[in-house]
Amino acid sequence: GIQVEQSPPDLILQEGANSTLRCNFSDSVNNLQWFHQNPWGQLINLFYIPSGTKQNGRLSATTVATERYSLLYISSSQTTDSGVYFCAVLSGGYQKVTFGTGTKLQVIP
Amino acid sequence: GAVVSQHPSWVICKSGTSVKIECRSLDFQATTMFWYRQFPKQSLMLMATSNEGSKATYEQGVEKDKFLINHASLTLSTLTVTSAHPEDSSFYICSARRGLAGEYNEQFFGPGTRLTVL
Repeated sequence: GIQVEQSPPDLILQEGANSTLRCNFSDSVNNLQWFHQNPWGQLINLFYIPSGTKQNGRLSATTVATERYSLLYISSSQTTDSGVYFCAVLSGGYQKVTFGTGTKLQVIP
Repeated sequence: GAVVSQHPSWVICKSGTSVKIECRSLDFQATTMFWYRQFPKQSLMLMATSNEGSKATYEQGVEKDKFLINHASLTLSTLTVTSAHPEDSSFYICSARRGLAGEYNEQFFGPGTRLTVL
């Protein structure tokens, strides 16, 4: 099946810093989403982005489907950005959803 | 819009009992719902995909008789963990997808259910 790898696995940032999270996938996909999992486990939708670039406030995302990767940019990070970031892809005729390995972000004051 | 609820949010049960978890889409109809399992510090693993009115499709390695899934309406799917054992303790998360089966629409997630089996 498709492999979805995220990097880096762990990231510590000073408040106010910028960062880029990466999601690589091993096969073509039908859609891609980015999520933030908060400390209570709730997954919060950030972007639905099978291709192209989208922006929402301090966050933006770019997916280059032909090169099989997606990037999530966080600018001017805040402590509330802490948590785990996942990408998830939908692939194949069976439409299987596969989550990435996750990036654990800690933003310190 | 696109709110998904789960109930209960946490449950503790004795080994050998069955536990039912409900997943509801509150403000949209979901022809497809998904059930995931997440162990501490790990990613989400898809357990099964359920389409309203039909049998669930289970991922390889997931026991159908142990994890019973019912998607009886366009707003409700249930997961029943039968004869639960301590190794079934985990965080179970459901998601719902708007639109028709076969469309590649966004998923929206419930808040999860933390199951502890003693």
